Amino acid sequence: TAGITQAPTSQILAAGRSMTLRCTQDMRHNAMYWYRQDLGLGLRLIHYSNTAGTTGKGEVPDGYSVSRANTDDFPLTLASAVPSQTSVYFCASSDSGGVDEQFFGPGTRLTVL
Amino acid sequence: GQNIDQPTEMTATEGAIVQINCTYQTSGFNGLFWYQQHAGEAPTFLSYNVLDGLEEKGRFSSFLSRSKGYSYLLLKELQMKDSASYLCAGGDSNYQLIWGAGTKLIIKP
Repeated sequence: TAGITQAPTSQILAAGRSMTLRCTQDMRHNAMYWYRQDLGLGLRLIHYSNTAGTTGKGEVPDGYSVSRANTDDFPLTLASAVPSQTSVYFCASSDSGGVDEQFFGPGTRLTVL
Repeated sequence: GQNIDQPTEMTATEGAIVQINCTYQTSGFNGLFWYQQHAGEAPTFLSYNVLDGLEEKGRFSSFLSRSKGYSYLLLKELQMKDSASYLCAGGDSNYQLIWGAGTKLIIKP
């Protein structure tokens, strides 16, 4: 069972360029999340989706957008990358949109220069 | 505001016992999670407490006191593979998780 996959594994991006981080889960989970993890800080929620067709803003949504066209996929787009978006990005999913065990993808390490 | 506090780093000896503490302040409370994260890897679920008391799961136990806003993770019979970061996360009134920065646990032979 694949669980959650993310692509790419890592990326170096020039400032001002756009990029989409991909996330796919095969567990038929209703809820999906995007976090960023920076040294010395806890995981911070960027955007979430409690069910296909709906999305919501997390703690740090500025500069990011998401869509949830179906249950399995939850892409994260950076429209115009800035160096402060250099981070490790984790996608996660859970069975419900309530407080539930979250399953994490392997992460994408993004460097914006 | 919402906040999760845990020590930045702890060191323990193989075979020993270690307790990692976590204090939390969340708007509302919907449970307390512990996750393990090895360097360069994704977090993985360890435990969930929503009621006061101790939950035991093999070598790992987790404790919650809602009145004190306090939890701890207890690791027994430490093994070298337990070297990792341990993340404490509290569920808030919006059913989102508020994460601590993690405690890096170093195990020495």
